[in-house]
Amino acid sequence: QVQLEQSGAEVKKPGASVKVSCKASGYRFLSYAVDWVRQAPGQGLEWMGRINPDNGKTKYSQKFQGRVTFGSDTSATTTHLELRSLTSEDTAVYYCARFRLDVIGGSCFDYWGQGTLITVSS
Amino acid sequence: EIVLTQSPGTLSLSPGERATLSCTTSQSVSSSYLAWYQQKPGQAPRLLIYGASRRPTGIPDRFSVSGSGTDFTLTISRLEPEDFAVYYCQQYGGSPPVTFGGGTRVEIK
Repeated sequence: QVQLEQSGAEVKKPGASVKVSCKASGYRFLSYAVDWVRQAPGQGLEWMGRINPDNGKTKYSQKFQGRVTFGSDTSATTTHLELRSLTSEDTAVYYCARFRLDVIGGSCFDYWGQGTLITVSS
Repeated sequence: EIVLTQSPGTLSLSPGERATLSCTTSQSVSSSYLAWYQQKPGQAPRLLIYGASRRPTGIPDRFSVSGSGTDFTLTISRLEPEDFAVYYCQQYGGSPPVTFGGGTRVEIK
């Protein structure tokens, strides 16, 4: 079955960087893009961007452009997110999600990781 | 940016009642590229419906969607105890390519 397994929670100090990984299994890794979505405590969902593991192409939300980098390791079927210059406003649960785009129309995030809590605190 | 506005913010209903959740987009969105998710506390969102009316395996048919253009509705025909959660709509295709609505909480009255 399709699974996205994320790395564990972390506590970081302001100004630091964090890397969150997302290991995919149960499907052909190169056939689907992976998006990153975050959720601040008690808030809604915020899209951060996408990586296509097939060609390494990325698309970032303008809000995070220059501060975030997505990568992928095809041999390990893992994608990762690196977020730099952390502030308290980056405290959130970070999710990876498989992006599905059907040829005949229809798009969605059909599978999600369990989420990784990143706490930024001095 | 295509802004998605969900209403009401909170819906207080009893089990067995019908729930009607609204998602209004700031620009016309193809129903093919609008999806709905359910999220329970401490859990990741779960896909409910996408591509106008497609439900993933395991999603019961009491969940349905309607609408077009800028106005979309998620209907839960008869609320079950497990349906009390937060619901998000999401669009694909604008710039940025993905945006989410702010969510509607369905709580037990």
